[in-house]
Amino acid sequence: GAVVSQHPSWVICKSGTSVKIECRSLDFQATTMFWYRQFPKQSLMLMATSNEGSKATYEQGVEKDKFLINHASLTLSTLTVTSAHPEDSSFYICSAPNSGGGDTQYFGPGTRLTVL
Amino acid sequence: AQSVTQPDIHITVSEGASLELRCNYSYGATPYLFWYVQSPGQGLQLLLKYFSGDTLVQGIKGFEAEFKRSQSSFNLRKPSVHWSDAAEYFCAVGAGGNEKLTFGTGTRLTIIP
Repeated sequence: GAVVSQHPSWVICKSGTSVKIECRSLDFQATTMFWYRQFPKQSLMLMATSNEGSKATYEQGVEKDKFLINHASLTLSTLTVTSAHPEDSSFYICSAPNSGGGDTQYFGPGTRLTVL
Repeated sequence: AQSVTQPDIHITVSEGASLELRCNYSYGATPYLFWYVQSPGQGLQLLLKYFSGDTLVQGIKGFEAEFKRSQSSFNLRKPSVHWSDAAEYFCAVGAGGNEKLTFGTGTRLTIIP
């Protein structure tokens, strides 16, 4: 079946540093990927839609200069949390629909970010 | 704006008992509805989805859900739960299977022996 990977699975960083999270579709192409954030014991909230070859679309209230998204290829989207602060600590999950067809999107296993 | 409500934050059932998790949605057009399961620290696994047709849909792991347009509901059911069903369950709505999703707040399921 279709697989989406995320790297790293967890990361701890110091406040003020930047962290890059990768979302990769392993056996299909994805012109669109979605980035969600999940705070502890809460639901998933959509942050942005990553579009291959063009700018990402951010949801209201999400700072695009803080959460940089790059969709450089048909199988890879990256989310960079710039100048991370403790309030950015969260579980970040990506999902990717198969641009080759079908009506299902596939979720990555998530990345746990802890900012000290 | 679209929204999903899962009224039950936490449900506890005995192993072997039946289960129903509630989901109500608000959506301006024909909704595409999903149920996902999440184990601690893990990503999401799709249990089932409804797009059109038969309003009773079957999913993996013995789960089923019924779409009721008149009640704006899409409740998840299982006739007999297993200890391995303990997890967080999310209902979601979107414009399509490949579109961004709006999730409910989730229901945590605990199974007691």
